[in-house]
Order: sequence, then structure tokens, then C-alpha cells
Amino acid sequence: GQSLEQPSEVTAVEGAIVQINCTYQTSGFYGLSWYQQHDGGAPTFLSYNALDGLEETGRFSSFLSRSDSYGYLLLQELQMKDSASYFCAVRSYNNAGNMLTFGGGTRLMVKP
Amino acid sequence: DTAVSQTPKYLVTQMGNDKSIKCEQNLGHDTMYWYKQDSKKFLKIMFSYNNKELIINETVPNRFSPKSPDKAHLNLHINSLELGDSAVYFCASSQGLAGALLQYFGPGTRLTVT
Repeated sequence: GQSLEQPSEVTAVEGAIVQINCTYQTSGFYGLSWYQQHDGGAPTFLSYNALDGLEETGRFSSFLSRSDSYGYLLLQELQMKDSASYFCAVRSYNNAGNMLTFGGGTRLMVKP
Repeated sequence: DTAVSQTPKYLVTQMGNDKSIKCEQNLGHDTMYWYKQDSKKFLKIMFSYNNKELIINETVPNRFSPKSPDKAHLNLHINSLELGDSAVYFCASSQGLAGALLQYFGPGTRLTVT
């Protein structure tokens, strides 16, 4: 099966940069996605990497190293509204169909 | 316009009852999903439905059954509800095989079983 590890909680101050790491184990690999979820809200897609390297979307960037089975989400110029849970998710060959396996989520708290 | 919608938003019911949650997407996507999120916020895939092909997560009890009247709708029917079914259920959709990495989620249905 698949397993993903990410820190349960991260705290940072407004304006800072924070990196949320994700390591995964899977026998096949299509790509790694990142989702944001505010309390009481729905997961919202942020970014995905199918190939190695950095993908940049505004203040958010995502990185993937397939050889290390590792990725991270980088959030720059943190704002209070970035306080949320962040999930990495992997789609792999041995998943039946078009399904994602999610990590347990990282709760980010941004302080003034 | 809402891309993925679910009804109801809240559902409170008693053990043993049967209930349904409806989901509709207006994105023209060909694949829809149901997820369960428990109290610890762990998000678990339950079903994937693509072009009338249903993929079931083997850990999902057969009391849960998805029904798709057409490509834009995937409803979730739950029989004989149990206390452990209390959770937030999310519907999602994506386009194509590669699209599974980029999914659009509905607002969720909070189910409480008493």
C-alpha cells in the first residue's frame, strides 16, 4: 500500500517562510499533490508535482524528489489567513483507478 | 456558480437508519469521488467513479453504496447507520486519469449518528 508522513503541526510568524515536508512510500508513483483545508471548510487544491523540481504558484511552491520519495510545500510571506491544515497526497500505479492517498495533514498556525 | 455541490450540509440521524447524500458537479469532469474525514481530520478515499466504472476502497463496508444517475452526479447511500459513521463526507471530481492529482472538493456533509 501507500503511506505518507508529514509533521502534525508547524508554527510560524506572519511574514516568515515555512516549509512542510512530506515523505512517501509507494510501489509506483504518478505524482504528489498538496491541498489546503481551513477549519470547517473543504480541501482546496494548491499544487502538484509529477516530475522532479520546483513548481511555483504565487506565494506557494512545491518541490519533488522522486529518488528520495520526498516533497515539500513552501509558503512565503506568511499571512494570518494561511493558518490551516495542509495535506500531501500521492497517486500511485498500484492505486485502483484515479485515487489519491492523503497524508495525515499538517496544521499550520501563523502568529502575529 | 458552485463547481461541486453537496446536500445536505448537515445530517443528524439515529443508528440503524438509511440515509443518502447527494453530489453534483458542473465542471464537466468525468471522474467523481467520495471521501470520509474523521474527527482527527484523516481524509480517506471511499470510492472513485469514472465512465460507469466503480473503484471501491476495499476497507469500505458494503453498507455504503455510491449511485451515479449520470456523469454529473454521484450520490452516496448508507444503510444501517452506525455510530462510527459519524464524520464529514466530501464529494470531489477531476478530469481524466492525470486529473486525479487535481481534484475539486464539495463543501462537505457533516453526518452525526446518535
